[in-house]
Amino acid sequence: EPEVTQTPSHQVTQMGQEVILRCVPISNHLYFYWYRQILGQKVEFLVSFYNNEISEKSEIFDDQFSVERPDGSNFTLKIRSTKLEDSAMYFCAARTGHDEQYFGPGTRLTVT
Amino acid sequence: AQSVTQPDIHITVSEGASLELRCNYSYGATPYLFWYVQSPGQGLQLLLKYFSGDTLVQGIKGFEAEFKRSQSSFNLRKPSVHWSDAAEYFCAVGPMDSSYKLIFGSGTRLLVRP
Repeated sequence: EPEVTQTPSHQVTQMGQEVILRCVPISNHLYFYWYRQILGQKVEFLVSFYNNEISEKSEIFDDQFSVERPDGSNFTLKIRSTKLEDSAMYFCAARTGHDEQYFGPGTRLTVT
Repeated sequence: AQSVTQPDIHITVSEGASLELRCNYSYGATPYLFWYVQSPGQGLQLLLKYFSGDTLVQGIKGFEAEFKRSQSSFNLRKPSVHWSDAAEYFCAVGPMDSSYKLIFGSGTRLLVRP
């Protein structure tokens, strides 16, 4: 069964540095999402992306965050200047139409 | 505002016992409903989903859930728990708006006694 993949599995960065988290959705998926889960907390929606533009974003998704699908396959989340509170597990998800979202295994981001 | 409530933070059951995890949602219409399971350090695996039709849905690993519109609930059940079911369980709703984003509950951690 095709899977959503994410790289890297674990990223350690210093506060103030830029990070890019990568996701490779299943090829026929059209809708893409980023979620995050701070350790011990629930999964929170960050942003949804369709037809090469953001369709919705949460209040968490401020100017420090951006998303893009640069080459039609990878879907990336960029954090321009990381803060300690950005430490979390970041999940990519994708879907085709009116069906379930398929989640990747996540990238654990640690900001020191 | 849309929300999901999982009132039980932790549940401990004995292996072989039955299980019910509660989930209540707040939404103006019938949303899409999901249960996901997360093992420690792992991603989210879909157990089952409800979009429409039969209100009792079957999922993987012997799980089932029942949608009760009158109670705004979507409780997860399993007749006989296995030790490997120990994990965190998340209920989620997917509003039928333009983004279909998922809104998750805070999760219930299931512990299984031998």
